[in-house]
Parts: sequence; structure tokens; C-alpha cells
Amino acid sequence: AQSVTQPDIHITVSEGASLELRCNYSYGATPYLFWYVQSPGQGLQLLLKYFSGDTLVQGIKGFEAEFKRSQSSFNLRKPSVHWSDAAEYFCASTGTASKLTFGTGTRLQVTL
Amino acid sequence: DTGVSQNPRHKITKRGQNVTFRCDPISEHNRLYWYRQTLGQGPEFLTYFQNEAQLEKSRLLSDRFSAERPKGSFSTLEIQRTEQGDSAMYLCASSLASLAKNIQYFGAGTRLSVL
Repeated sequence: AQSVTQPDIHITVSEGASLELRCNYSYGATPYLFWYVQSPGQGLQLLLKYFSGDTLVQGIKGFEAEFKRSQSSFNLRKPSVHWSDAAEYFCASTGTASKLTFGTGTRLQVTL
Repeated sequence: DTGVSQNPRHKITKRGQNVTFRCDPISEHNRLYWYRQTLGQGPEFLTYFQNEAQLEKSRLLSDRFSAERPKGSFSTLEIQRTEQGDSAMYLCASSLASLAKNIQYFGAGTRLSVL
């Protein structure tokens, strides 16, 4: 069965600092991978996705993620965090064209 | 493109009552998904439809839960005899399935509180 692990429950960074959120997946083949962001009380907004090809993918709001097959990882990065980036971030995978399997999320707090 | 719409946004009910939620997907999307998210957790898959056919149901979807998508457009999720453990955010997503790529777009969710 697929699983997604986000080891960090809560991360605090200063505004302007760089950010990396970790995600590890478990799946027999190469899954499709996604990062979503959720603001309090809201639904999920897609930040970026990986299907195949270039292992470094660019997303919205200045985010990027790198797929590393050898480490079964798909970490999310941003070079300079803004206060508006404070939210909950979810990594997700799907191995077929159906359901998403989500990690438990990482809550990002940004200090000014 | 008006996005995925869910109604109501919030629902408060008493234990034992029935509730129904509605989801309107992005108009050209043929797949529709329901997920449940409890506090501090990621969304968990409940069920999905391709057009009007319900193709997969999670074990989380007990017999008190039923979902329909009668004309392949909007969908409803009904919970009968609600329990306090049903309190959660219910999220709907839709996608246009082509080949094996499946990008799901989410609505804002319906937050259910069972008293």
C-alpha cells in the first residue's frame, strides 16, 4: 500500500529565510507526487506536481520541489519565505489515476 | 472556471440526525472525489466517481455513508444517524482524467460538527 510521510509536524522560520519541507513516499513504482497548501478553514490549493521527466519542478508562489528516487523523497523548497506562506502543507501521492494518499501535513509558522 | 463548490460550508447537527452535503465540480471534469479530514491529519480518501459510476469506496465509508452523482455532474454525500466521530472537514475534489494523469482540484470543504 502507498504511504506518504512528512516527518516534521511543525516548522518555524523567519521571514526571508529559506524553507525546506520533507516528504517521503512508499510505492513500488514511481508515483505521481503533489504538494498542496491549506490555509486555516480552507480547502487545498495545488502548489506543484511531478509526473515524470525533469526531477526539479517549479510551482506557484515561488515554490519548487525535487524528486529523488534514490531517497524516495519529494521535498518542497522556497528560497525566501514570506509571512503569507504560513499555512499547512501536504504532500500527496497517487499510483493510479484515482485516489490521493496524503501525509499528515507540516504546519509552517513564519516569524517577522 | 468557477472552481469546485461545496455547500454548506459549515453544518452543526445533533447526534443521530442525518446530514447531506453537496459538491459541484469544475464543469468539464468527469471525476469527483470525496475526502475526510480530521483535526491535525491529512485528508483521507472516501470514494470517487467517474461520471455517474461510483468506482471505489474506502473502508472508512461505513454503511451510514452514501454518495451519489446521479447525472455525472454534482454529487451528494449523506451521513445517516450521525455520530460525534463524524465531526470533520469533508472535502470534494474533481479532475479530468486523461491517460494516467489526474490533477485533483479541491473545494473549500464542508465542516461538520456533531454535538
